[in-house]
Amino acid sequence: GAGVSQTPSNKVTEKGKYVELRCDPISGHTALYWYRQSLGQGPEFLIYFQGTGAADDSGLPNDRFFAVRPEGSVSTLKIQRTERGDSAVYLCASSSSLAGDTQYFGPGTRLTVL
Amino acid sequence: GQQLNQSPQSMFIQEGEDVSMNCTSSSIFNTWLWYKQEPGEGPVLLIALYKAGELTSNGRLTAQFGITRKDSFLNISASIPSDVGIYFCAGRGGATNKLIFGTGTLLAVQP
Repeated sequence: GAGVSQTPSNKVTEKGKYVELRCDPISGHTALYWYRQSLGQGPEFLIYFQGTGAADDSGLPNDRFFAVRPEGSVSTLKIQRTERGDSAVYLCASSSSLAGDTQYFGPGTRLTVL
Repeated sequence: GQQLNQSPQSMFIQEGEDVSMNCTSSSIFNTWLWYKQEPGEGPVLLIALYKAGELTSNGRLTAQFGITRKDSFLNISASIPSDVGIYFCAGRGGATNKLIFGTGTLLAVQP
């Protein structure tokens, strides 16, 4: 596809459950970013990958959050033992290999933890 | 997490009016960016600024990178209804590519 795609678009889960959120970056983009956006707030950085490795994971709030990008393309954000406070829109972005290049965002996955 | 101070929080204006919003940070940034977000979508880049003092235009939009590298503003001239949305500033600095976003400015334009 032409842009960043994220699946599912909406996810409703119960407190304590495990969820996986998927991001397909723009073809050829080597950098991939995850952000979280709570209602009425700006996006907050979680983690970014350069290729397969996490270049900066300083935004992950705790060890319940984990992300992988095993082949340097698709990425999965995994949240264990979900809490109500995890409810937010999870945004993915990708950019080319050039440092500082434009980050293109996907439409996000809206996660609701009941 | 860290968020930049953005003001105003919201603006309700008439079509044709000019709009100004700004963003301040306690940290220095190497890059300032302005994004627009519409409901159900991710942010879309409007303008990127790479140098202190830089003034850049994109159509009816003009943005400036503050001399202190701790602030930026965005102006929209002659607003139209499709300008409606939430505008975010974002800064990037240091060795990382992560973006620090502002709290957002909601713009509503009355036809």
